[in-house]
Amino acid sequence: DAGVTQSPTHLIKTRGQQVTLRCSPKSGHDTVSWYQQALGQGPQFIFQYYEEEERQRGNFPDRFSGHQFPNYSSELNVNALLLGDSALYLCASSLVVSTGAQETQYFGPGTRLLVL
Amino acid sequence: EDQVTQSPEALRLQEGESSSLNCSYTVSGLRGLFWYRQDPGKGPEFLFTLYSAGEEKEKERLKATLTKKESFLHITAPKPEDSATYLCAPSMFSGGYNKLIFGAGTRLAVHP
Repeated sequence: DAGVTQSPTHLIKTRGQQVTLRCSPKSGHDTVSWYQQALGQGPQFIFQYYEEEERQRGNFPDRFSGHQFPNYSSELNVNALLLGDSALYLCASSLVVSTGAQETQYFGPGTRLLVL
Repeated sequence: EDQVTQSPEALRLQEGESSSLNCSYTVSGLRGLFWYRQDPGKGPEFLFTLYSAGEEKEKERLKATLTKKESFLHITAPKPEDSATYLCAPSMFSGGYNKLIFGAGTRLAVHP
């Protein structure tokens, strides 16, 4: 059973450029969440997608946008890159449950983005 | 304000030396508390979920416990392969949905 996969593994961009990161969820999962993790910090929530719509969003500017496809895979787009966008970008997948409890999120290996 | 604090920031242990990691949180509407392990340059790996005060979960040398304001990750007789960053993440209910809030983690180094 394949876990969460992300591509690419590493990426180098320059300021002002745009980047697209990709995520395939764990088999059977329908929800994808994206996180940004700076060096030495915990993951910071960017947004979550469910049923191809953005369901909730963290404190990130509109330069960060996303998309979820019918097969539940997802993309994270970042426009007008800044030096401060350099980080590990993590995708996590989960399955919505009807109990109201927080569902377990399973993480991919991440994409390391360096902005020069 | 919702906040998660993990202590210590870093911990160095000798192999076999037991210890505990702390996660203090102020989160409204707690919907569970999660522990993850993260190796350098990799994504977090799920360890435990705790839902109510007094609950305990165990896995090999790790045991997680939960109170109303804290969670502890106890490591018994650790081995070098337990070296990693341990992240705690309480879940809060906000805007109609659950959301994980991660602490900065505790970096654990276990030496032979």
